[in-house]
Amino acid sequence: DTGVSQDPRHKITKRGQNVTFRCDPISEHNRLYWYRQTLGQGPEFLTYFQNEAQLEKSRLLSDRFSAERPKGSFSTLEIQRTEQGDSAMYLCASSLAGGANIQYFGAGTRLSVL
Amino acid sequence: DQQVKQNSPSLSVQEGRISILNCDYTNSMFDYFLWYKKYPAEGPTFLISISSIKDKNEDGRFTVFLNKSAKHLSLHIVPSQPGDSAVYFCAASAEDYKLSFGAGTTVTVRA
Repeated sequence: DTGVSQDPRHKITKRGQNVTFRCDPISEHNRLYWYRQTLGQGPEFLTYFQNEAQLEKSRLLSDRFSAERPKGSFSTLEIQRTEQGDSAMYLCASSLAGGANIQYFGAGTRLSVL
Repeated sequence: DQQVKQNSPSLSVQEGRISILNCDYTNSMFDYFLWYKKYPAEGPTFLISISSIKDKNEDGRFTVFLNKSAKHLSLHIVPSQPGDSAVYFCAASAEDYKLSFGAGTTVTVRA
């Protein structure tokens, strides 16, 4: 399977705990994106990387959120001191720069903060 | 601010008939528009796209129409099949990176 993979698929945590999600993009894609989706809404952009450089962060990404993409391969998204409002589906996507900006999504990590 | 809007949360259509999904946008800088399909427990899957310099793009049963003056696009699926039952998202790109999504339209194809 050469698609975008995300791990874990589900995460249940208690408020105040830290969580980390991993995304492995399609291998030849140089761009990687993180989105968040809540019930009844479309995905909302959080941040993106071109190779290892983080080029844009949404204002939705508070200081408790941090993302990395070491060596321009896989990426991690960490949420510190989780809050109930962080409960959502976190989606990762990858693409090649240019053209129609077709992004390919993983199945997502569903976070539930109790 | 919601730059991409899908005002119909749901659509029910009989198998074999045409499904028409609508999408409106506000940002005139959008240069690509995309449609994604999503099944439960899966990520969005790319369906079809259109550049802002075109007014129609067709791929098999799927056709997207763009009306720039009205800032409106639509996705036509014909004929509709049971496997088309899913949530459809309209998305747009302005700066060659982030996608702005609508809230989605749930399509149910009745046998």
